[in-house]
Amino acid sequence: SQQGEEDPQALSIQEGENATMNCSYKTSINNLQWYRQNSGRGLVHLILIRSNEREKHSGRLRVTLDTSKKSSSLLITASRAADTASYFCATDASLEDRWGGTSYGKLTFGQGTILTVHP
Amino acid sequence: NAGVMQNPRHLVRRRGQEARLRCSPMKGHSHVYWYRQLPEEGLKFMVYLQKENIIDESGMPKERFSAEFPKEGPSILRIQQVVRGDSAAYFCASSPPGGQRLYEQYFGPGTRLTVT
Repeated sequence: SQQGEEDPQALSIQEGENATMNCSYKTSINNLQWYRQNSGRGLVHLILIRSNEREKHSGRLRVTLDTSKKSSSLLITASRAADTASYFCATDASLEDRWGGTSYGKLTFGQGTILTVHP
Repeated sequence: NAGVMQNPRHLVRRRGQEARLRCSPMKGHSHVYWYRQLPEEGLKFMVYLQKENIIDESGMPKERFSAEFPKEGPSILRIQQVVRGDSAAYFCASSPPGGQRLYEQYFGPGTRLTVT
């Protein structure tokens, strides 16, 4: 399996319900981010959680991170039809650049969860 | 402040032709990344560039693919002799200078390449 796997692969709910998506990863991370992608469009950054944080909120979004289990969850409360999209988690990896320093830049994305919110 | 710009948004090429995808990072950003998204999949890292330097190309296919980020002008992802399997959405992202927040990537709208 790949770094940054989400489950479920697809989730279908009614407007007003909560949606929970999970992400698991394999290697140590510096931080984990969640993105949304509407069909045929680019990615929109939702929220970033650092490896030393356990929970973060942003509006109707709540993200948790359990580094011991190498997993994260994204909760969308009181969902709306406009929340219909694919959701991806992304972890970063550190890179040794040519000049011997350490830099970050390679995001590893999961396969995504397709969320459908029915009006 | 304009976001990351990519053009063209859609590109159709016949097998064997060349595809050139352009990416202009956000103003002031000096780090550019290219990702590929196959249908129904997540994004896969291809290459990370700074001005005039390729930092990490571990995700780039060894043949037919190349990328550059010249001192002036946009970053270019070039695919020679395209095949049907190259059909995908190609996303560019950029991050602020300084190297401290390279995970903070802003994505462009993508170029959807279709090879017929």
